Amino acid sequence: SYVLTQPPSVSVAPGQTARITCGGNNIGSKSVHWYQQKPGQAPVLVVYDDSDRPSGIPERFSGSNSGNTATLTISRVEAGDEADYYCQVWDSSSDHPNVFGTGTKVTVL
Amino acid sequence: EVQLVESGGGLVQPGGSLRLSCAASGFTFSSYEMNWVRQAPGKGLEWVSYISSSGSTIYYADSVKGRFTISRDNAKNSLYLQMNSLRAEDTAVYYCARAKGRQYFDYWGQGTLVTVSS
Repeated sequence: SYVLTQPPSVSVAPGQTARITCGGNNIGSKSVHWYQQKPGQAPVLVVYDDSDRPSGIPERFSGSNSGNTATLTISRVEAGDEADYYCQVWDSSSDHPNVFGTGTKVTVL
Repeated sequence: EVQLVESGGGLVQPGGSLRLSCAASGFTFSSYEMNWVRQAPGKGLEWVSYISSSGSTIYYADSVKGRFTISRDNAKNSLYLQMNSLRAEDTAVYYCARAKGRQYFDYWGQGTLVTVSS
């Protein structure tokens, strides 16, 4: 089955840029979605279809996807961005097609 | 306003059964694909099951295949997950999530906790 690999943790100072990677075989050929999850809360969609943002999500959140790596970028990081982030794809070739990444804990220093 | 409200979680012994429900409101439920996603304590998100808008297409994660059954009642705006032969490793918060487009989950419920323990 398809595997998505994320770094366990990323640390960033306020005002700086955080980049979270999501690695998968030829992931550039798939649509990648990203979720933010704060403790005790349900996940929230922050980027879909590689780089689109749902309404209400700040422009500071952006995404890209090419080759074997997709990236979620958080610009001008704020304390409120501290959370777990997960990538997700739909692997249409599989009979268990929804796959989540391993998750990345973003810590704001 | 879109709302998804899960219910049915609780404490169950290993080998037991439980049926989760997800009540949907604020949108045309019959037009959307739905999923169950779970999260074990302190762990990441794990996709569990998918059902198409009509219920004709269903997928399961290998970890639950043969033990869990997803279903929906579009007349009642409800999604279900029948869980049988439960194991300790099924202990998790279970979320229902609405799928849109290329299968991104734009709305999630608040989750219901299932604890499998003797």
